Amino acid sequence: GAGVSQSPRYKVAKRGQDVALRCDPISGHVSLFWYQQALGQGPEFLTYFQNEAQLDKSGLPSDRFFAERPEGSVSTLKIQRTQQEDSAVYLCASRSPGFDNEQFFGPGTRLTVL
Amino acid sequence: GNSVTQMEGPVTLSEEAFLTINCTYTATGYPSLFWYVQYPGEGLQLLLKATKADDKGSNKGFEATYRKETTSFHLEKGSVQVSDSAVYFCARFSWSGGSNYKLTFGKGTLLTVNP
Repeated sequence: GAGVSQSPRYKVAKRGQDVALRCDPISGHVSLFWYQQALGQGPEFLTYFQNEAQLDKSGLPSDRFFAERPEGSVSTLKIQRTQQEDSAVYLCASRSPGFDNEQFFGPGTRLTVL
Repeated sequence: GNSVTQMEGPVTLSEEAFLTINCTYTATGYPSLFWYVQYPGEGLQLLLKATKADDKGSNKGFEATYRKETTSFHLEKGSVQVSDSAVYFCARFSWSGGSNYKLTFGKGTLLTVNP
């Protein structure tokens, strides 16, 4: 079946603009994660959903970051009033039920804030 | 807390050379351990995993053994190919109560294999 998809793949924003990044998880995956990957670094956890419930948002760097998954499938990560330090690749991952624990990653959205 | 430390790169090898990329983790809980690979222009892919002590994960000629006594999960391959050129990430997952379902990654090791 199809993997995790993300859109757009690339986004350029002027400082102060709002952006919205979309993630379509693998069908049937109840768990969904967002990670931020700065240049030359490993991904860092932002937030986690189980179905539509956001169970952990401890990794969101500021209140300018907001994520939602209203129907328990597609998720959107929104960044308000973007800053240059928000430039990174934003990765979405979904996980199958059960004890497998493998997370499948999407291709990411590369955000550049000018 | 939960952390992963992996060998810093870049690593440059000739084709058919032996590869080792070191990875150690903090011994909090009983983590599952993973190696992910990121090929140029592509997303993260799971390379291999191990869920308990002494497990050996293997895939595409790569191997890593979960060593609880040394808290290590080193990645090895006996004979690398040019197509193995990529960034490799070691990661851990813990199931020990609280916020324990997220992956914690190392910083990544860039491997370049020359023909």
